This record gives sequence, structure tokens and C-alpha cells, in this order.
Amino acid sequence: QKEVEQDPGPLSVPEGAIVSLNCTYSNSAFQYFMWYRQYSRKGPELLMYTYSSGNKEDGRFTAQVDKSSKYISLFIRDSQPSDSATYLCAMTTNAGKSTFGDGTTLTVKP
Amino acid sequence: EAGVAQSPRYKIIEKRQSVAFWCNPISGHATLYWYQQILGQGPKLLIQFQNNGVVDDSQLPKDRFSAERLKGVDSTLKIQPAKLEDSAVYLCASSLEGGRLNEQYFGPGTRLTVT
Repeated sequence: QKEVEQDPGPLSVPEGAIVSLNCTYSNSAFQYFMWYRQYSRKGPELLMYTYSSGNKEDGRFTAQVDKSSKYISLFIRDSQPSDSATYLCAMTTNAGKSTFGDGTTLTVKP
Repeated sequence: EAGVAQSPRYKIIEKRQSVAFWCNPISGHATLYWYQQILGQGPKLLIQFQNNGVVDDSQLPKDRFSAERLKGVDSTLKIQPAKLEDSAVYLCASSLEGGRLNEQYFGPGTRLTVT
């Protein structure tokens, strides 16, 4: 079993929809949680990171962490065609070792 | 600020041949990472350098993969000999430090096809 499991997708939504992207993890050593966005044929870019349970908001993006359930989510409000990409969750231990999920590909249709 | 540079962007080789990839991290970034990303999967860490020392190479297939970062700046990753299952995108990333809040900046990757 993988340490990080990500909802596989793909997801296709109409413009303006609310999108929910989810990951679960099994390693209690993970303390820091990140979401990366990866456009086709590009490297991943960091969207958000958080290290505590609860919500963190940045514009249209909200990252949610529930450490007790070992579950993290990324919500995108008012989704735009430019949000079409693969979203990767990543988790890091205190030692700085990061493990990535396999990504969820999102398509936002105009 | 210039980003992480990688070359070549694409490479096609036959199995059992050798190949090398080059990475130039963001200026001042002490930590450099090489990842392998197989199609449909997330990046898998191959090796992490802190300056010119290796921090983690536990997932590097050392019988065929090698990497170096001689002067603590540029890095090369080599595969010799290549296998079909090495077909993937090889991503280089760098960060200011290698701690837990290590915001990693990724390069565009090198897409390797082994035939």
C-alpha cells in the first residue's frame, strides 16, 4: 500500500464549479502538507502548504487538513479553464523527506 | 529570478545505451533534488543533495543510476545502461534549504524514451 493515496480522477467540471481534490495518507510522520499544480509538459509548482489541522485559504483555493483522519483536501472555488492541470498532493516529514501522490487531472470546460 | 534549468528537454535512446541529464538550480539554493516521474504517477525522489553532499539516495537504483553535484551548484544524473522501464520524465528541483518547509522549485524536466 502506498503511503499517499490520491483520488485518481480524471475530473471534468464546468467553469464556475467548486472542485474538491483529496488525498489520504498512512504515515503519521508526515507533518507538512502541500499541493502542487502541474501543467502539461511542465514541472510542478507549489500552490499551497500547511502544517496544522484546519483550513488555509488563498484566493479561490482552500487547503484542508484533518490529521486525525489522515486526510487532506484542496478546494477550488469558481473554477476557471486556466485551472485545468494535474494537481499533486505532497507530504513531508520533519526530516524533510517528501512523498507525492499520483495526481488528479482536472479539466474545467468553458 | 531565473528558474531551474534542465537539459536536454527530450531524449530518445535504445536500451542498454547510456544517457546524462544536466540541472542548474536557482542561484543560492543549497538543496537539489532529482525525481523520476513515470507517466500517470507522481514524482519519486531519486536523490537529494545538500550543497555537494548526498542527503538521501535510498531510492536511487545504484547499479545503473549515478548522480553528482561536484561544486555544490550544477548537477548531472546518469543512467548506464538504460532499461525500457526508465522511460519517464526526470525532474530536477531546488530549495533554499532541505528542511521540512522546503519549498521546492521544479525545472521543466527531461522526457526520456527508451526503445
